[in-house]
Amino acid sequence: SQKIEQNSEALNIQEGKTATLTCNYTNYSPAYLQWYRQDPGRGPVFLLLIRENEKEKRKERLKVTFDTTLKQSLFHITASQPADSATYLCALDASQAGTALIFGKGTTLSVSS
Amino acid sequence: DAGVIQSPRHEVTEMGQEVTLRCKPISGHNSLFWYRQTMMRGLELLIYFNNNVPIDDSGMPEDRFSAKMPNASFSTLKIQPSEPRDSAVYFCASSLGSGRINQPQHFGDGTRLSIL
Repeated sequence: SQKIEQNSEALNIQEGKTATLTCNYTNYSPAYLQWYRQDPGRGPVFLLLIRENEKEKRKERLKVTFDTTLKQSLFHITASQPADSATYLCALDASQAGTALIFGKGTTLSVSS
Repeated sequence: DAGVIQSPRHEVTEMGQEVTLRCKPISGHNSLFWYRQTMMRGLELLIYFNNNVPIDDSGMPEDRFSAKMPNASFSTLKIQPSEPRDSAVYFCASSLGSGRINQPQHFGDGTRLSIL
């Protein structure tokens, strides 16, 4: 079965630094990956989508990479701010298995000022 | 624009009672998803509908769980009878497309369910 892992449950960094979150997967070849942000007590909010034929995608301070050889996606937040503190979820396309998205458990990012 | 609307936001009930969770997707979206989120298991897909038809219900834990989508603007997730292990946050999400295409999902703010 498909397995998706996010590198750590929690990541603590200082304001202004770059946060790098990792998403690894096995037993699958997704056509795309999505990243979501979740704040306490709220539902996940879509951030970025990257397709298998795209190496990198950017949106403002966010950057996502997708390495299908390593079966890994990296999510970067540059010039991090305390407002970036949240849980970040990666989700992979599971359409080959006849279903929709499979989510990782998330990494909780804390940015201190 | 109105997002995905879920009700109730919180539900506390005793074991054995029937629980009904409700969801109104974003107008125009034709895929609807029900998820359950716990600390141990993360966000798990329970079932998803496309054009009101259930496409994949392999995530539904057991026969105590059922979901319906009688029309494009309303869906319910029912648990009968409820058990303490059903305690979790239940999310509804909607998207354009068939659910298998690369469309973002839009989530509601969830129902926090506690079964005593």
